[in-house]
Amino acid sequence: SYELTQPPSVSVSPGQTARITCSGDALPQQYAYWYQQKSGQAPVLVIYKDSERPSGIPERFSGSTSGTTVTLTISGVQAEDEADYYCQSAASSGPYRVFGGGTKLTVL
Amino acid sequence: QVQLQESGPGLVKPSQTLSLTCTVSGGSFSSGDYYWSWIRQPPGKGLEWIGYISYSGSTYYNPSLKSRVTISVDTSKYQFSLELTSVTAADTAVYYCATEGAVTKSFQHWGQGTLVIVSS
Repeated sequence: SYELTQPPSVSVSPGQTARITCSGDALPQQYAYWYQQKSGQAPVLVIYKDSERPSGIPERFSGSTSGTTVTLTISGVQAEDEADYYCQSAASSGPYRVFGGGTKLTVL
Repeated sequence: QVQLQESGPGLVKPSQTLSLTCTVSGGSFSSGDYYWSWIRQPPGKGLEWIGYISYSGSTYYNPSLKSRVTISVDTSKYQFSLELTSVTAADTAVYYCATEGAVTKSFQHWGQGTLVIVSS
């Protein structure tokens, strides 16, 4: 089965830049999406189609891609950004959606 | 703005069938703009995509769950439903309904989620 791999945790101080990676063999062919999930809440889409930002999402959230790795970058991290972040994409064969294991962002 | 609300039993016995319904408001249910999806999250773990149904009734399921899952839609009630048969404790999770944009292919709108515990 297809898998997306994320680091379990990332820690940054307020005002610094956080980078969360997601690796998968099909990412050169399939778009990636990023979701923020705060404790006890449903996930919220923060990036779609690798690098597009939905309306209402702060400009400090950005996405990029390079080969089999996509990256969510949060510039000028704020305390409110502390959450779990999940990447999501599709397998290259068939409309099978998959999520990465999630990365817990801790703001020190 | 599309809003989603899950409903159904919070406790299901092992080997029985888990049944949940998602009620949709604020959007055009049959416009083809969305795929109507189910996603689950075991306590303390990550997200798992279960499957979707399109406005035309086409379905696609996670291969790991395909033999036990059925997603259906009732357009007259603005609802879509999930059935998961032969449940075990491993199916204990928060179950979310969500819309996947037919163009953006992203999960744009989510219900609040409902916890289903499988236990005797």
